[in-house]
Amino acid sequence: QSALTQPPSASGSPGQSVTISCTGTSSDVGAYKYVSWYQQHPGKAPKLMIYEVSKRPSGVPDRFSGSKSGNTASLTVSGLQTEDEADYYCSSYAGSNNFEFGGGTKLTVL
Amino acid sequence: EVQLVESGGGLVQPGGSLRLSCAASGFTFSGYWMHWVRQGPGKGLVWVSRTNSGGTTAGYADSVKGRFTISRDNAKNTLYLQMNSLTAEDTAVYYCAREYNPGGLDWGQGTLVTVSS
Repeated sequence: QSALTQPPSASGSPGQSVTISCTGTSSDVGAYKYVSWYQQHPGKAPKLMIYEVSKRPSGVPDRFSGSKSGNTASLTVSGLQTEDEADYYCSSYAGSNNFEFGGGTKLTVL
Repeated sequence: EVQLVESGGGLVQPGGSLRLSCAASGFTFSGYWMHWVRQGPGKGLVWVSRTNSGGTTAGYADSVKGRFTISRDNAKNTLYLQMNSLTAEDTAVYYCAREYNPGGLDWGQGTLVTVSS
């Protein structure tokens, strides 16, 4: 069982928006602004999409956005494209030099 | 270009040991915190360990505490993970990652560790 809870699956049609949640506790997601999101295509290494809750690294499309409310962080993908189909993982700093990942969400573009 | 190249994976018997290495290039290695993250076959990402830029402090997941040791040699631009008392549950692809912004990681391609008799 992962420390952070994500829905196992999400889906949307091309052009639509989809939001993936990541629920933690007041000791991790709720306590720190260090929530990140990663995209992983099959057989590939993960790629950073969002860091510090809502910041995008250079090169990540602005269709990807992040937010946080209380103990729950969210990743929204707008204007879905076929290449967005992948697994998405959230991560949070949990204090005392520890990090946690969510169990992952498989995003399907219908 | 940032490159992180893991090596040292392979087949090891239960109870055995293995040392993973991660050769870094394309950036000032000594300026960054570094992590190990693993992914079991068909499973999700699991954080394993993190060390500061000087290698003086480290954090570990409960599942590996007391068995795994993270270290680094900044003169050789290399990160290590010493893994002892391995069990089948440690079978995974092990990724080396650079923390290039707070909590945000750059990843290597991973090295596979299989624990089996």
